[in-house]
Amino acid sequence: EPEVTQTPSHQVTQMGQEVILRCVPISNHLYFYWYRQILGQKVEFLVSFYNNEISEKSEIFDDQFSVERPDGSNFTLKIRSTKLEDSAMYFCASGGQINEQFFGPGTRLTVL
Amino acid sequence: RKEVEQDPGPFNVPEGATVAFNCTYSNSASQSFFWYRQDCRKEPKLLMSVYSSGNEDGRFTAQLNRASQYISLLIRDSKLSDSATYLCVVNSRNTDKLIFGTGTRLQVFP
Repeated sequence: EPEVTQTPSHQVTQMGQEVILRCVPISNHLYFYWYRQILGQKVEFLVSFYNNEISEKSEIFDDQFSVERPDGSNFTLKIRSTKLEDSAMYFCASGGQINEQFFGPGTRLTVL
Repeated sequence: RKEVEQDPGPFNVPEGATVAFNCTYSNSASQSFFWYRQDCRKEPKLLMSVYSSGNEDGRFTAQLNRASQYISLLIRDSKLSDSATYLCVVNSRNTDKLIFGTGTRLQVFP
């Protein structure tokens, strides 16, 4: 069964550093998403991406965040200058149609 | 008012028990409804979509009441492997972002 994959599984970084989280969505999917979950809290939407552009973003997704689909397979989330409060689990999701979202295993980001 | 509200639990039930979870949502424009399951430190996994007429998948039954803005999940004959957090999820017309509840934790004991 096809799956969304994410790398790395755990990323530790110093405050102020840039990080790039990588995702490989399911191959024939067209809709891509990033969510995050701070430990002990609910899953929160960050951004959706379709047809090579952002279709929607949340208030969390400020100028420090960007997304890119640099080739036909990868979908990345970049945080330019990490803050302590960016520490969370980041989930990538993809869907073949709207309202169908399959989640990857997540990247745990720890900002020190 | 929270967009999606759930009782956090935990619900501790013996194997074989029937357990029900409820969820309310605040946005009457919500269009699609789901139950996801999340194991500790893992990703959310789609358990089932919820349709207006109600739907069943094996031991799991989901119901939607649009008038009351209420969704339920019933698990019959609980198994140890059902232990997880159950997430109520909605999304609205003209958007594909999913809005998650905080989840209800279920612990099934032998």
